[in-house]
Amino acid sequence: KAGVTQTPRYLIKTRGQQVTLSCSPISGHRSVSWYQQTPGQGLQFLFEYFSETQRNKGNFPGRFSGRQFSNSRSEMNVSTLELGDSALYLCASSSGETIPTDTQYFGPGTRLTVL
Amino acid sequence: QKEVEQNSGPLSVPEGAIASLNCTYSDRGSQSFFWYRQYSGKSPELIMSIYSNGDKEDGRFTAQLNKASQYVSLLIRDSQPSDSATYLCAVKVRAQKLVFGQGTRLTINP
Repeated sequence: KAGVTQTPRYLIKTRGQQVTLSCSPISGHRSVSWYQQTPGQGLQFLFEYFSETQRNKGNFPGRFSGRQFSNSRSEMNVSTLELGDSALYLCASSSGETIPTDTQYFGPGTRLTVL
Repeated sequence: QKEVEQNSGPLSVPEGAIASLNCTYSDRGSQSFFWYRQYSGKSPELIMSIYSNGDKEDGRFTAQLNKASQYVSLLIRDSQPSDSATYLCAVKVRAQKLVFGQGTRLTINP
């Protein structure tokens, strides 16, 4: 079974621009969660999508948004980029069942640099 | 108080010894606990999951959970240089939201 894929792997943008990141989950998985990883803050939860609906949301500003398509693929958008948005953005895929044993598997990540 | 806390390390262990990684969490209602390994420049990789009090063994790895003390640990026996990485403790606090500790950087010295 193919793993989680993310595109692009690397991205360089300038302040004020916007960016869209894409994530394709493991086949059969219906939940996609997004995380931001920085050296200072560690891994922080952004949001989770299940069946095309945002089911959980972290404490990030409205500039961070996402969506999920009917094939479970998900996109994340960051508008009006700031220098502090430079980070590794990770998506994680799981079945989405609300049971303790449901496990998230991470994609390779997208490294975003904001200049 | 942080939701999930780990000793940031770095932790240095000689090859062949036991590495012990610790994690505490604040939400008593948490039911699912995970250990991920992250090599430099890579994404987190699942090592172990544990849901019940006690020990769970998988090869050289043993996860231990004590819900009364709100404590999770990971033991790595016969440590190898390839075990050198950052180990992330994650707790599922509700539905699909995982909260991560800051990670413990482990170095295995040949």
